[in-house]
Amino acid sequence: GQNIDQPTEMTATEGAIVQINCTYQTSGFNGLFWYQQHAGEAPTFLSYNVLDGLEEKGRFSSFLSRSKGYSYLLLKELQMKDSASYLCAVRDRGRKAAGNKLTFGGGTRVLVKP
Amino acid sequence: NAGVTQTPKFQVLKTGQSMTLQCAQDMNHEYMSWYRQDPGMGLRLIHYSVGAGITDQGEVPNGYNVSRSTTEDFPLRLLSAAPSQTSVYFCAVKTGTHSYEQYFGPGTRLTVT
Repeated sequence: GQNIDQPTEMTATEGAIVQINCTYQTSGFNGLFWYQQHAGEAPTFLSYNVLDGLEEKGRFSSFLSRSKGYSYLLLKELQMKDSASYLCAVRDRGRKAAGNKLTFGGGTRVLVKP
Repeated sequence: NAGVTQTPKFQVLKTGQSMTLQCAQDMNHEYMSWYRQDPGMGLRLIHYSVGAGITDQGEVPNGYNVSRSTTEDFPLRLLSAAPSQTSVYFCAVKTGTHSYEQYFGPGTRLTVT
């Protein structure tokens, strides 16, 4: 089975940096996703890490340590529009169909204040 | 959103009623899946399909049926709705053989009274 933990809520100030941690304990691991979800909308893809290290995409970066079962999403130069939930999801190990199954954490709601 | 559409957007059912949530895509993607999202519990996989005629169960399949007669459509059926099935339902597709990204449809908000 999979167990994925992330904080429920975080608050930060516009222009600041926020780091959202995600820890996982899984029976199989084949990559980790981060999704952003604004209230009342569908999740949208942010990043995918399969190897250890940091992946940077503009203001957003994602880090993975497979040996520690740990990832974080770093949001820099926060903007009001970054207020949303951020979902961590682990991709299952397995061939073909099973390898596309995702297990999600509960999500972290980030509130950006002026 | 990779051409993923879901209907209806909102639905209210009485306990015991049946209904079908529709999911359609026009990009010939093989892998499609259904998730439900409940407060504090994240998204949970209900059923998934790797192509026409092939479906399998996810984490929470009880109370739901699926079929995949065409590549384009992947409907989710509730045969006898229960209040525990009140949730937001998302359909997702995986875009391409070498892409692991999954794109989500806009969702269906279902309330069972």
